[in-house]
Amino acid sequence: GQSLEQPSEVTAVEGAIVQINCTYQTSGFYGLSWYQQHDGGAPTFLSYNALDGLEETGRFSSFLSRSDSYGYLLLQELQMKDSASYFCAVRDRHSSASKIIFGSGTRLSIRP
Amino acid sequence: GAVVSQHPSWVICKSGTSVKIECRSLDFQATTMFWYRQFPKQSLMLMATSNEGSKATYEQGVEKDKFLINHASLTLSTLTVTSAHPEDSSFYICSARDPDIQNTEAFFGQGTRLTVV
Repeated sequence: GQSLEQPSEVTAVEGAIVQINCTYQTSGFYGLSWYQQHDGGAPTFLSYNALDGLEETGRFSSFLSRSDSYGYLLLQELQMKDSASYFCAVRDRHSSASKIIFGSGTRLSIRP
Repeated sequence: GAVVSQHPSWVICKSGTSVKIECRSLDFQATTMFWYRQFPKQSLMLMATSNEGSKATYEQGVEKDKFLINHASLTLSTLTVTSAHPEDSSFYICSARDPDIQNTEAFFGQGTRLTVV
């Protein structure tokens, strides 16, 4: 089976940088992805790491270390609109349908 | 990018009635779609995998007779909550992957907020 752990809540200041960590356990691994979800909305895809290293997309970056079963999402130049829940997720390698399993989510609150 | 549309966005129904939720892939063919349920301040829990032209695969603990899934075409999957009860009130979300896009993950519908009264 799969399990993912991430902090339940993080608070940061507008303009700052915040890192959300995720550790995972999985019997098979394709890659680690990150999703953003605002209250009342659906998740939106942010990034995907299949290989070790850092992937940068604008203010957001995502990192993966396969040997450590660990990844993180880095948000820079925080804006108030970044207040949301962030989920790390893995794809089930042993599922022919490649179903995606989500972590419990990290609620990011940003203060002015 | 790939777009997944879900309808309705919200629905209120009486206890004991059934509700159908539709999930459509608008610009790609999805042989597989996924249905999730999310309770307030919780994560997305996978309910079932919807397979075009065959039976859905349900996750452990999900009642297949209560949550009926039909995937009759490559662009449409439906979830029917039968004999709904207040405890079924939740946010239901579908997702699908575009098999032609590499290194990406699922795209989600807008979600359906179901309230059973």
